[in-house]
Amino acid sequence: ILNVEQSPQSLHVQEGDSTNFTCSFPSSNFYALHWYRWETAKSPEALFVMTLNGDEKKKGRISATLNTKEGYSYLYIKGSQPEDSATYLCASDSNDYKLSFGAGTTVTVRA
Amino acid sequence: DADVTQTPRNRITKTGKRIMLECSQTKGHDRMYWYRQDPGLGLRLIYYSFDVKDINKGEISDGYSVSRQAQAKFSLSLESAIPNQTALYFCATSDLRGDWLYFGPGTRLTVT
Repeated sequence: ILNVEQSPQSLHVQEGDSTNFTCSFPSSNFYALHWYRWETAKSPEALFVMTLNGDEKKKGRISATLNTKEGYSYLYIKGSQPEDSATYLCASDSNDYKLSFGAGTTVTVRA
Repeated sequence: DADVTQTPRNRITKTGKRIMLECSQTKGHDRMYWYRQDPGLGLRLIYYSFDVKDINKGEISDGYSVSRQAQAKFSLSLESAIPNQTALYFCATSDLRGDWLYFGPGTRLTVT
């Protein structure tokens, strides 16, 4: 079972400021890294997927980086808006074609 | 209409009862998944299916079973529900490996 870790567990950011947070994952047998946005009472929604061969699919204005050698990814939010308040989930696709999720980083944007 | 639907959305059941959660999708995807979410934990994979004849156990399959009735339908059963199966359950689909998941709205299950 993969151990995908996200930090921090939660953070607060002022509206208009930028922020970023981390996902770390085992780098062996890596295939793809996913980011999802999850609002309370809704279902997780995909933001990014980046594969080992460089293919990338993204949605919205949030950006991400991926370091497959050292096993980490950063998600960046520039110019935070109240609607960016959510829990951001990272997931790694490595062994056996299964996605393993981290526990998430909860972002609260203060107006 | 939603691409991935789950029924029921909420369910309260008693210990020992059999319960089935259903998932349907209109996206035409071959891959379907059942995840469970508990507070403070990430989504944990229960079962997954890459086509109608393919069923695989995930991280936490004990106490659960699944049925892939058609490409569009994937059901999760709790044969004899127990209180620690109280959780939020998500169904998801994807197209190919490396594509992102599309989640259903979730089923909140409470076992008393």
